[in-house]
Amino acid sequence: EVQLVESGGGLVQPGGSLKLSCAASGFTFSDSAIHWVRQASGKGLEWVGRIKSKAKNYATAYIASVKGRFTISRDDSKNTAFLQMNSLKTEDTAVYYCTTSPEDYWGQGTLVTVSS
Amino acid sequence: DIVMTQSPDSLAVSLGERATINCKSSQSVLYSSDNKNYLAWYQQKPGQTPKLLFYWASTRESGVPDRFSGSGSGTDFTLTISSLQAEDVAVYYCQQYYSTPRTFGQGTKVEIK
Repeated sequence: EVQLVESGGGLVQPGGSLKLSCAASGFTFSDSAIHWVRQASGKGLEWVGRIKSKAKNYATAYIASVKGRFTISRDDSKNTAFLQMNSLKTEDTAVYYCTTSPEDYWGQGTLVTVSS
Repeated sequence: DIVMTQSPDSLAVSLGERATINCKSSQSVLYSSDNKNYLAWYQQKPGQTPKLLFYWASTRESGVPDRFSGSGSGTDFTLTISSLQAEDVAVYYCQQYYSTPRTFGQGTKVEIK
């Protein structure tokens, strides 16, 4: 059974940092690209960024609004991906999902709240 | 960035009637080297994670009922529900994966009239 489990969400003050994890099982993690998608309460889906596989040099890409603040990484030996979020802003408040490609798997999401 | 624009933002359809959702991209998502449209459709039911319905614009994901169909090419795409069922109440999103950032449409909320 395929599973993606996000963790690490919580309440953080503006300007703070948080590191999300995405633990995978049930498929060949190392062959997959990992994407992070977020959804603010009552709003639509927003693709945040992705990291490709080792075969594609772990290439990363981000949306403009998080570039320089967020970093995606992965540890294939632990079937886990990470989203390091620094200099957080109130507008980063959302549920963060990790997803995969080319197979389309989604985790249940973890809530990040940025508030003073 | 490619901007994805869906229409309408919401629609109410009677049970058994057709629902049609449009998605327009600001530039073509048809990749000439493989003649594939890099366009996906997702369904998100209340309180649930998004579920992939179609990829390559019209290839139905396994398990998706055949009352759902995806069509279009280039910059204009359509998701059709031929006979709306109660369980189809959801928000539907298109997403292009032709280039990064992989942008989503704003979503279309489908309700029962």
